[in-house]
Amino acid sequence: KNQVEQSPQSLIILEGKNCTLQCNYTVSPFSNLRWYKQDTGRGPVSLTIMTFSENTKSNGRYTATLDADTKQSSLHITASQLSDSASYICVVRGLQAGTALIFGKGTTLSVSS
Amino acid sequence: DVKVTQSSRYLVKRTGEKVFLECVQDMDHENMFWYRQDPGLGLRLIYFSYDVKMKEKGDIPEGYSVSREKKERFSLILESASTNQTSMYLCASLSAGAAREQYFGPGTRLTVT
Repeated sequence: KNQVEQSPQSLIILEGKNCTLQCNYTVSPFSNLRWYKQDTGRGPVSLTIMTFSENTKSNGRYTATLDADTKQSSLHITASQLSDSASYICVVRGLQAGTALIFGKGTTLSVSS
Repeated sequence: DVKVTQSSRYLVKRTGEKVFLECVQDMDHENMFWYRQDPGLGLRLIYFSYDVKMKEKGDIPEGYSVSREKKERFSLILESASTNQTSMYLCASLSAGAAREQYFGPGTRLTVT
């Protein structure tokens, strides 16, 4: 069964610190992997999309990595800010026709001052 | 900028009422989706549509129906609202291209009393 597992479920860090969120998936064959940021009460907003041939992608202080061999991705946040407090959702799309996007349940990040 | 708009941010309905949630996108995307998001369960796909008048069931279609009469508009219908349909409802549309970007609306928080 195609699954996307994220860890940790929640995380609390101090402002200015770095953190890394994990995403493991079993979707195969694989087309692309996305990371979204969702602020409380809002819709998800895309941070990065990576295809199977890409190992890393950055968007400002957010850097996503992908290891298609081990089916793992991480999202690294550098020099965290209070505005980074949100849920971060990993989403995987399979290659087969008709494969819908498979959503992880998200990691809730709280950045405190 | 892609815009996906939803008709209401907050909605309160009574059990048994018929509820319409409207979603409009302005980027001529073929694919549109309705999800619900509940704590601890992540986003779950209710229905999606890949063309006008075409629809496919997602993971949890029971109690819902959809309508896609025009390309830019995708409606979610709760024929007889129940309390277990209290949730955040998110609409999304999907662009074409190799790494297709999915854009989300701001969400509708529906409470059924």
